[in-house]
Amino acid sequence: GALVYQYPRRTICKSGTSMRMECQAVGFQATSVAWYRQSPQKTFELIALSTVNSAIKYEQNFTQEKFPISHPNLSFSSMTVLNAYLEDRGLYLCGASRQHSDYTFGSGTRLLVI
Amino acid sequence: QQKVQQSPESLIVPEGGMASLNCTSSDRNVDYFWWYRQHSGKSPKMLMSIFSNGEKEEGRFTVHLNKASLHTSLHIRDSQPSDSALYLCAAGRSSNTNKVVFGTGTRLQVLP
Repeated sequence: GALVYQYPRRTICKSGTSMRMECQAVGFQATSVAWYRQSPQKTFELIALSTVNSAIKYEQNFTQEKFPISHPNLSFSSMTVLNAYLEDRGLYLCGASRQHSDYTFGSGTRLLVI
Repeated sequence: QQKVQQSPESLIVPEGGMASLNCTSSDRNVDYFWWYRQHSGKSPKMLMSIFSNGEKEEGRFTVHLNKASLHTSLHIRDSQPSDSALYLCAAGRSSNTNKVVFGTGTRLQVLP
């Protein structure tokens, strides 16, 4: 079946430092990868959508400068949170989908900033 | 920016009862809806999707869609404690199902 693995499951970083998280699709080739953040204060926010053969599209309030994403092949994506601060806390979820298919989500990377 | 509004924010129903959750999109181009369920500490799992007007039933779960009002609802009959979770509604366009916007979620608690 289709599975999505995210690594690490949980991470703590000091305020102002950066951390990288990874997303691996297993059992299928992801033509789209969407990164979301689920924070205690806000809803499920779409950060950016990465689709094969298209530029990565960032949503309002999220920028490539802050959340650079790499999607080098159809099974792997990574995102870095640069200069993390308290407001960046939350659960970062990666969703991967095949063409015209539903998203399968990973278990998320929980980011704590101290 | 497209918004997906869900109501109520939280819902408590007794075991065996009916739970009804609502969702509305502000984007008139949206024509595809999904319902996801997220148990505490777990990733969201897709429950059902719907893109045609009307009703779709799978077991104890029924989804309604009214495209004119961009409103969908999820009904869970004979609710079980294991149904307790965060229910997320997502909306997108069938022309580009890659971009999916999620709502705020309804937290359902089923009391035994």
